[in-house]
Amino acid sequence: AQSVAQPEDQVNVAEGNPLTVKCTYSVSGNPYLFWYVQYPNRGLQFLLKYITGDNLVKGSYGFEAEFNKSQTSFHLKKPSALVSDSALYFCAVRPPDSNYQLIWGAGTKLIIKP
Amino acid sequence: DVKVTQSSRYLVKRTGEKVFLECVQDMDHENMFWYRQDPGLGLRLIYFSYDVKMKEKGDIPEGYSVSREKKERFSLILESASTNQTSMYLCASVRGRSYNEQFFGPGTRLTVL
Repeated sequence: AQSVAQPEDQVNVAEGNPLTVKCTYSVSGNPYLFWYVQYPNRGLQFLLKYITGDNLVKGSYGFEAEFNKSQTSFHLKKPSALVSDSALYFCAVRPPDSNYQLIWGAGTKLIIKP
Repeated sequence: DVKVTQSSRYLVKRTGEKVFLECVQDMDHENMFWYRQDPGLGLRLIYFSYDVKMKEKGDIPEGYSVSREKKERFSLILESASTNQTSMYLCASVRGRSYNEQFFGPGTRLTVL
């Protein structure tokens, strides 16, 4: 079965330190990959996506993600965390044989401590 | 900017009631989605619609139905609400091709007593 895994329920990082939120997937072929963020009491917002090309993609709010085909991973990164980055982060994958349906990870709660 | 609005932020209903959740988008998107979000389970697709009057079942359609009579509006209906339908419901829309990002509404937190 096709799936997306976010292995950490919660990630704690000190402000100013680099952060990584992990995502791995089990999907055949070449999927499209997405990261979304949900701030408290707000809807999900798109952060970035990988369709093709350069494995390092840059997105909103200084976030970037690296696509690794051999490891089937798409980890979200930021060089220097801000307290305002504290939120719930979701990885999503669109398999090549799907129309618009996405497979979603369970989400990772990111807590940035001052 | 795309705006997706949902009819209620919070809703409390009783078991057996019929519940309507409405979603409206203002950017002429062809495709609209209804998800439910539960802690530890991520987002699960209930139904999606790729055109007016067209719909497809998602992963968890049981107990739900949908209606899309106009392009901008996508309604989710709980025919007879049950306590296990207590959840956060999110509506989303997307334009055109499947590699485009989805735009989400603020969500409706439904509690069924």
